Amino acid sequence: QVQLVQSGAEVKKPGASVKVSCKASGYTLTNYAIHWVRQAPGQRLEWMGWINGGNANSQYSQKFQGRLTFTRDTSATTAYMELSSLRSEDTAVYYCTLRAYDVLTGYSNWFDPWGQGTLVTVSS
Amino acid sequence: DIQMTQSPSSLSASVGDRVTITCRASQNISSYLNWYQQKAGKAPKLLIYAASSLQSGVPSRFSGSGSGTDFTLTISSLQPEDFATYYCQQSYSTSWTFGQGTKVDIK
Repeated sequence: QVQLVQSGAEVKKPGASVKVSCKASGYTLTNYAIHWVRQAPGQRLEWMGWINGGNANSQYSQKFQGRLTFTRDTSATTAYMELSSLRSEDTAVYYCTLRAYDVLTGYSNWFDPWGQGTLVTVSS
Repeated sequence: DIQMTQSPSSLSASVGDRVTITCRASQNISSYLNWYQQKAGKAPKLLIYAASSLQSGVPSRFSGSGSGTDFTLTISSLQPEDFATYYCQQSYSTSWTFGQGTKVDIK
């Protein structure tokens, strides 16, 4: 069972960028879709977008268009989420999570597993 | 985007109680509905997928039902480790959305 380990907490000033990593332990991400979900304090989970672990194509929520970039390393073991032009409203815990791909059924329609989360605090 | 609304937003229950949480979608989502459990300071955990399928390793006291716009998560006999916040999530649209959560705490 793949496990996801994310990078540590970050504190950023407004206008800066943050890059969060998500490493799969013992597996490559080639057969997965890596999604990013965030949760502001006391708020519901918010889907941000996803990257195809095989071909690295990405889809972004319209809310973050132009500020958000997903990448993955060439070994396809680590995915990255970079959010730019940070503002206080971006203070949240950011999670990576997976949808598995099966050659017979395609991608699953649920998220499992999840990384442990990365707290990003935006404050002047 | 498809809006997901849960009720209640919070509830208090005792160990052994039967607990029911509902989730309503703003449009027909067939059975593209998942349930997650989130404990304080932890990542969400998948409980139920495709409205009624129990994720491997999840206790059988959890069950899900529904289709179309109305869905239910039931805990047949609440255990101490079940006190948490529960979220529904639709996967019908590729703009994935979650409910606002239902917090289950100790009465």
